[in-house]
Amino acid sequence: DQQVKQNSPSLSVQEGRISILNCDYTNSMFDYFLWYKKYPAEGPTFLISISSIKDKNEDGRFTVFLNKSAKHLSLHIVPSQPGDSAVYFCAASPSLTYKYIFGTGTRLKVLA
Amino acid sequence: EAQVTQNPRYLITVTGKKLTVTCSQNMNHEYMSWYRQDPGLGLRQIYYSMNVEVTDKGDVPEGYKVSRKEKRNFPLILESPSPNQTSLYFCASSWGSGSYEQYFGPGTRLTVT
Repeated sequence: DQQVKQNSPSLSVQEGRISILNCDYTNSMFDYFLWYKKYPAEGPTFLISISSIKDKNEDGRFTVFLNKSAKHLSLHIVPSQPGDSAVYFCAASPSLTYKYIFGTGTRLKVLA
Repeated sequence: EAQVTQNPRYLITVTGKKLTVTCSQNMNHEYMSWYRQDPGLGLRQIYYSMNVEVTDKGDVPEGYKVSRKEKRNFPLILESPSPNQTSLYFCASSWGSGSYEQYFGPGTRLTVT
């Protein structure tokens, strides 16, 4: 049973436009959420995170929104750049554990 | 340079031949973890360690062993590899204690024939 779901395997966006990547979860015990970016032949790199006590966190062009009632989070990238083309994973961690559950990833392609 | 290193980067082996994938970090991180990445399944946590001599199972621990005798090293041991353990493996580390951001190694691609 996939507790963290990324239902869109891929997404294409024009350079300069907004990219919105979505993630749904089922476990109400998750209290910390993260987004990682992964380029081919490299390990994932941390992008941005959000605690369940917040509903928004911003870092430059990246903003993560959390809707706890809908068990949904999204990553907004504005403006999108060709260098943002990568696979994006969302991850969740239950409270008081060091376990991490990752989604299956969304491949973002930013078209120049 | 702060980094997580894994060795080997690529490995082809045969069923049943014991192997070890090493992981080392130079950031004095308390927390270390192993993941495997498979098509359509994303990253799945195998084992993690909160500190020296403290380890626990992730979601897919079957067929794997780990040890944490030193803070910087966290080897992954496959005592009797099987073809279903063919995968891309990542080691990661973080400060732990409320710090959730993990630093990942470059990955080890394992093929078991």
